[in-house]
Amino acid sequence: EAGVVQSPRYKIIEKKQPVAFWCNPISGHNTLYWYRQNLGQGPELLIRYENEEAVDDSQLPKDRFSAERLKGVDSTLKIQPAELGDSAVYLCASSPRGQGATGGYTFGSGTRLTVV
Amino acid sequence: DAKTTQPNSMESNEEEPVHLPCNHSTISGTDYIHWYRQLPSQGPEYVIHGLTSNVNNRMASLAIAEDRKSSTLILHRATLRDAAVYYCILRYSGNTPLVFGKGTRLSVIA
Repeated sequence: EAGVVQSPRYKIIEKKQPVAFWCNPISGHNTLYWYRQNLGQGPELLIRYENEEAVDDSQLPKDRFSAERLKGVDSTLKIQPAELGDSAVYLCASSPRGQGATGGYTFGSGTRLTVV
Repeated sequence: DAKTTQPNSMESNEEEPVHLPCNHSTISGTDYIHWYRQLPSQGPEYVIHGLTSNVNNRMASLAIAEDRKSSTLILHRATLRDAAVYYCILRYSGNTPLVFGKGTRLSVIA
């Protein structure tokens, strides 16, 4: 079974430029998450989807960040314009519906963003 | 979310058992205890979880205190591949997201 696939693996951009990250979750996983991980810290949740609906986006900086999950499968996270402080690893994870507290997430390897 | 407390770092010799502690004194009756680990340059991976009873799987064992205010992740024989950051996370029984702390960085010495 293929895991959660993210691309690109690395991205370097100049500040004020736009950037997008793509995630393909495990087939059949209804719930998709985007996390951001700063150096030396644990991942922080940005947004959670149930199918195509964003059910928790309270931590997403909406002035510059946006996300979508068309048809409840793949997802894209976008930053426009990027700032120096956005440099981090962006992680995507998925889990089956109903797993809740009893099931595990599967994470992708992440996209390491460097804003210069 | 109930909080967990873990040591910042631990060190182990290869092929020795490792006991990674986690304190969660404010745990509620419906909180599950989850452990994830993050290898270098990888996303976190699920290790094990439990509610009240001790749990074993092919990766590790989870020992939960009787009062549930602490737990210990046990790696029976540490290998160099077990060097990672280990996160202890409490998760409510509903479909709530994982909330990560800083975890414990485990170093394994050959």
